[in-house]
Amino acid sequence: DTEVTQTPKHLVMGMTNKKSLKCEQHMGHRAMYWYKQKAKKPPELMFVYSYEKLSINESVPSRFSPECPNSSLLNLHLHALQPEDSALYLCASSHNLGGAYEQYFGPGTRLTVT
Amino acid sequence: AQRVTQPEKLLSVFKGAPVELKCNYSYSGSPELFWYVQYSRQRLQLLLRHISRESIKGFTADLNKGETSFHLKKPFAQEEDSAMYYCALSFSGNTGKLIFGQGTTLQVKP
Repeated sequence: DTEVTQTPKHLVMGMTNKKSLKCEQHMGHRAMYWYKQKAKKPPELMFVYSYEKLSINESVPSRFSPECPNSSLLNLHLHALQPEDSALYLCASSHNLGGAYEQYFGPGTRLTVT
Repeated sequence: AQRVTQPEKLLSVFKGAPVELKCNYSYSGSPELFWYVQYSRQRLQLLLRHISRESIKGFTADLNKGETSFHLKKPFAQEEDSAMYYCALSFSGNTGKLIFGQGTTLQVKP
């Protein structure tokens, strides 16, 4: 299995809801990432996990809460989001941290906050 | 500060014409540079990286440290090359951070 999968594909949530995005990979990668991508813009890094530990938090608001329960899974818990949080949320993984390692991207979850 | 600049938002060429997508970077250390491509309704995927010096789908890119550039080139564009192309910079050291340029949409007309 050489893919990163993400569920759900689409999510619509109200500003008071709590929801979670899920990302899975079975390539044995030990680094996993969350990115946010607005339309026609490049991905912006949110979080990096290395060996299931949070390595980088790019000053993301606390309404986004990442979790890495095991080496294959990455979650992003959402609570009290704002309409401007509507975007495509991409998960990626790489064999390890470092520039030599290619990042493999999932198809994304398109989130709409109403 | 680290930065990647892709000066063209849109590049439109005819099939069979040469293509050059420009990328300039700003980084004082040793850069790791990549080109990622996003075809319509497909996931973002790696096209090539400077350390491998491969040619993928006819595309090549050479790192020019003097000009701090990593332009993507193809001698003869095909319609299936139409996509969004992102140049990306990874820091030396094991941070895992990728800095993307703003992207260039390549449109290859028949």
